[in-house]
Amino acid sequence: DGGITQSPKYLFRKEGQNVTLSCEQNLNHDAMYWYRQDPGQGLRLIYYSQIVNDFQKGDIAEGYSVSREKKESFPLTVTSAQKNPTAFYLCASSRTSGTIAKNIQYFGAGTRLSVL
Amino acid sequence: DAKTTQPPSMDCAEGRAANLPCNHSTISGNEYVYWYRQIHSQGPQYIIHGLKNNETNEMASLIITEDRKSSTLILPHATLRDTAVYYCIVRVASLAAGNKLTFGGGTRVLVKP
Repeated sequence: DGGITQSPKYLFRKEGQNVTLSCEQNLNHDAMYWYRQDPGQGLRLIYYSQIVNDFQKGDIAEGYSVSREKKESFPLTVTSAQKNPTAFYLCASSRTSGTIAKNIQYFGAGTRLSVL
Repeated sequence: DAKTTQPPSMDCAEGRAANLPCNHSTISGNEYVYWYRQIHSQGPQYIIHGLKNNETNEMASLIITEDRKSSTLILPHATLRDTAVYYCIVRVASLAAGNKLTFGGGTRVLVKP
């Protein structure tokens, strides 16, 4: 099955702990994205990457870090510097070639992070 | 990217057409209108997009006014499974712009039997 796999589905973080959320895609997409969603709100962009070994900050990158060592994988680390990490985290991917307007973002099922 | 305004919520009857409005009065010539929806606790799902012509696919129709300052997403025969939050997004389709999506609050649509 082609798609985007996020794991784990639920994650709990202790105070002062770093946690890493996994995102893997087998769609052969060049671009990947991380969004955060708070209850009742829209999605906000954390980081994005359009090519391996390169990534850019989104609107709310503080307290987060990413890596893009492989095309298929774009893990997100929520660091202890992120003081309010409780949220629903969504990963997406898209192509970057062809007609740009048609480069639709496809989303994973999300990871729900809570602080203990 | 241009800002969008959507009603916070709306109800519609199962089997009837659902018309979801979106205002984007500051849209510029190279910005597209995209619609996504998010069923509770799932990732958003792409529905349709357009620049200035009306568009239709298997899920919905998109009607964009001639001045492009507003659009309407039409779900022709709403079902209970269409209950979701619907997001109208306007963005420049450009790699230089990062192909990013900016989500507002959306419209919470409840389809009732």
